[in-house]
Amino acid sequence: NAGVTQTPKFQVLKTGQSMTLQCAQDMNHNSMYWYRQDPGMGLRLIYYSASEGTTDKGEVPNGYNVSRLNKREFSLRLESAAPSQTSVYFCASILGGANQPQHFGDGTRLSIL
Amino acid sequence: GENVGLHLPTLSVQEGDNSIINCAYSNSASDYFIWYKQESGKGPQFIIDIRSNMDKRQGQRVTVLLNKTVKHLSLQIAATQPGDSAVYFCAETDDYKLSFGAGTTVTVRA
Repeated sequence: NAGVTQTPKFQVLKTGQSMTLQCAQDMNHNSMYWYRQDPGMGLRLIYYSASEGTTDKGEVPNGYNVSRLNKREFSLRLESAAPSQTSVYFCASILGGANQPQHFGDGTRLSIL
Repeated sequence: GENVGLHLPTLSVQEGDNSIINCAYSNSASDYFIWYKQESGKGPQFIIDIRSNMDKRQGQRVTVLLNKTVKHLSLQIAATQPGDSAVYFCAETDDYKLSFGAGTTVTVRA
């Protein structure tokens, strides 16, 4: 049982390049999330999908797009990468509803030069 | 969004001692709180949670205390071990979304 799987684990981009970060969960969870984590800061929510077919903006959505491809997969796209998007990106999921802990992947470390 | 923060960014603890990590929150409507542990190069890992209708919850070597009067949350780790070295985050839920504090880095001294 892999839980939440993120690919790739590391990536270096040049400014202006595009990139899609992949996330898949095998726990039959309904809700999925994308966060970014910057040094000395907690995780900040970029986008989330409460259920298959729906997506909503989080705290820091600018410069990103998401796709809930199916119940298992939730991808994050950077259309034109900027150095300010250098960060560690985490995907998470929960079964559904409130008052549940989110399960996290091990992150994608993204550097934009 | 509402602020969820930790009192101290770092904590150094002697192996075998108890650790106490503190967290203050500002949203009095929050009804669910979680503590996560994050080791280097890994994603946050669930430790323990507590609902607002409780003031204490115990797990294996960990206890979470919730004081709603002063909007304060703490994580106590008994008999701290080297494997407890990590960054610890508290988080509160607002419907489907979590709000995280900046984290406390715990270092265990041998």
